[in-house]
Amino acid sequence: DGGITQSPKYLFRKEGQNVTLSCEQNLNHDAMYWYRQDPGQGLRLIYYSQIVNDFQKGDIAEGYSVSREKKESFPLTVTSAQKNPTAFYLCASSSGTGSEQYFGPGTRLTVT
Amino acid sequence: QKEVEQNSGPLSVPEGAIASLNCTYSDRGSQSFFWYRQYSGKSPELIMSIYSNGDKEDGRFTAQLNKASQYVSLLIRDSQPSDSATYLCAVIRPDAGGTSYGKLTFGQGTILTVHP
Repeated sequence: DGGITQSPKYLFRKEGQNVTLSCEQNLNHDAMYWYRQDPGQGLRLIYYSQIVNDFQKGDIAEGYSVSREKKESFPLTVTSAQKNPTAFYLCASSSGTGSEQYFGPGTRLTVT
Repeated sequence: QKEVEQNSGPLSVPEGAIASLNCTYSDRGSQSFFWYRQYSGKSPELIMSIYSNGDKEDGRFTAQLNKASQYVSLLIRDSQPSDSATYLCAVIRPDAGGTSYGKLTFGQGTILTVHP
């Protein structure tokens, strides 16, 4: 069964703690993306990766970090430097630039 | 001007009617256009992609693209209550170097309600 998995579905953290969100895909896609969704603001790109061991900042990368050590995996770390981390985080993948992106189920992060 | 703009809605149509969702984009170099459906609390689901001018039909859905007018629309025929969701228009724009790394720019979304 091909698809994108994200875990956990819900995550609660205290301010000042780093947290890592998991994203795995078995679609054999080269490109992977992280987006953030806030109410009334649509989706915004945090980081993207076109190939293993390479990634680029998106529009709102401050306070986030990523790694791409395997083609299937693209974890996102939300650091304590991110000022407003509470949001719905979405991972996506595509076979190449310009082609359709498919989303995982998302992780809802709440930081108090 | 927003990069991708959708009619704000919410849009309410009766069951069986045609729902028309509209989207305009600002970058004339945009190349790929997508419509996603997002149910409340869920992730976006791709329902249509369109790359060239004209119409593209898939079941009850028709996407229309007019690059000269920088306009893309989605028509949903025979609307069903299960079509009630937020519809997101997304566009892939080239970066400053003229190449595209696949960055999707999303509109704010239009909430569609289909009432029985």
